[in-house]
Amino acid sequence: DAGVTQSPTHLIKTRGQQVTLRCSPISGHKSVSWYQQVLGQGPQFIFQYYEKEERGRGNFPDRFSARQFPNYSSELNVNALLLGDSALYLCASSLESQTYNEQFFGPGTRLTVL
Amino acid sequence: AQSVTQLGSHVSVSEGALVLLRCNYSSSVPPYLFWYVQYPNQGLQLLLKYTTGATLVKGINGFEAEFKKSETSFHLTKPSAHMSDAAEYFCAVREAGTALIFGKGTTLSVSS
Repeated sequence: DAGVTQSPTHLIKTRGQQVTLRCSPISGHKSVSWYQQVLGQGPQFIFQYYEKEERGRGNFPDRFSARQFPNYSSELNVNALLLGDSALYLCASSLESQTYNEQFFGPGTRLTVL
Repeated sequence: AQSVTQLGSHVSVSEGALVLLRCNYSSSVPPYLFWYVQYPNQGLQLLLKYTTGATLVKGINGFEAEFKKSETSFHLTKPSAHMSDAAEYFCAVREAGTALIFGKGTTLSVSS
């Protein structure tokens, strides 16, 4: 079975632009979470969606937004890009949204902001 | 608030030596604890997790970890390191709710 897939794998943008990252969860998984991993740091939680509803939000500005579609895939949008948004963006899916549900991570999208 | 501290940003061992990666957590309730591994240019792979029950947890690739509530620790060990174990390791905690809270990571280097 396919794991979590993310697109694109790499992306280069300039300051002030907008970007959309995409994630397809494992088949049958209803929950998707997004994390930002800055070089040399651990991942930081951005959002969780379950059944198309936002279930959690990390400490990120309103420039970050996300949504989940009826097929459970998800998009992460970042507006007005800053240099500090350069990072690996990881998507994780889980069967449900309970605390004990294992999160399976995709390979990530590497975003570089120039 | 939940937090995770990984002691030692870089650990170096020889092939065949014991691997010990340290993790301490802060949580107001009994936590769920996880260890993930990340190879270069890849996502995170779950090594093992503690939810409830037995405090000694066995994971993949010969790794294990012990939950010690009195010490608020969840250290990762492997009796004999292999070259293929060289990677970044992350400890994470999760309370009731959704988010995984990660430590800053420990880079494991294995020399022959």
